[in-house]
Amino acid sequence: NAGVTQTPKFQVLKTGQSMTLQCAQDMNHNSMYWYRQDPGMGLRLIYYSASEGTTDKGEVPNGYNVSRLNKREFSLRLESAAPSQTSVYFCASSVRGGNYGYTFGSGTRLTVV
Amino acid sequence: KQEVTQIPAALSVPEGENLVLNCSFTDSAIYNLQWFRQDPGKGLTSLLLIQSSQREQTSGRLNASLDKSSGRSTLYIAASQPGDSATYLCAVPNSGNTPLVFGKGTRLSVIA
Repeated sequence: NAGVTQTPKFQVLKTGQSMTLQCAQDMNHNSMYWYRQDPGMGLRLIYYSASEGTTDKGEVPNGYNVSRLNKREFSLRLESAAPSQTSVYFCASSVRGGNYGYTFGSGTRLTVV
Repeated sequence: KQEVTQIPAALSVPEGENLVLNCSFTDSAIYNLQWFRQDPGKGLTSLLLIQSSQREQTSGRLNASLDKSSGRSTLYIAASQPGDSATYLCAVPNSGNTPLVFGKGTRLSVIA
């Protein structure tokens, strides 16, 4: 029962470097999400994909891009990393939208120096 | 815009005590409310999902209630155990069938 798999689990980047966070789910869910979690700020939505072929901005999209590669995979790209993007990133999926239960991945802890 | 508040931010109780965690939301036109648990350094695990038509939902020692009209939910944990120590988060859709908006959580410590 893999559920939602995120890679990598840890990453250290230098300011200005780029990277892609990978997320894959094996539950045939339609909707996928990227959140970031910061101390004192809680979980904030970066981007989401309500269904394959669609993506929408969340609360804090600046500095990020996403790709819904297929129904299973939803990647998050940092084109030019900044120290403000140091955070824990969580991917989640649901059958369809916020009216259904979410399944979360275990997170990627990213440090930008 | 939906806003979710959880009180208290942290709570410490002795083992065996019953406790209540609180969650409030500003827009009462919600379809459901979800409670999650997060262990340190881990992802979120879904505990309970209450549909808007329900008043409460139970799973083992956990009972969640929902009062849409007042914009409140409570998570009741009976006979707390050290293994219940974690952060508990509630979340509701921003509007309609849109992504969840999370509260900042209540960090619970159960002391043996």
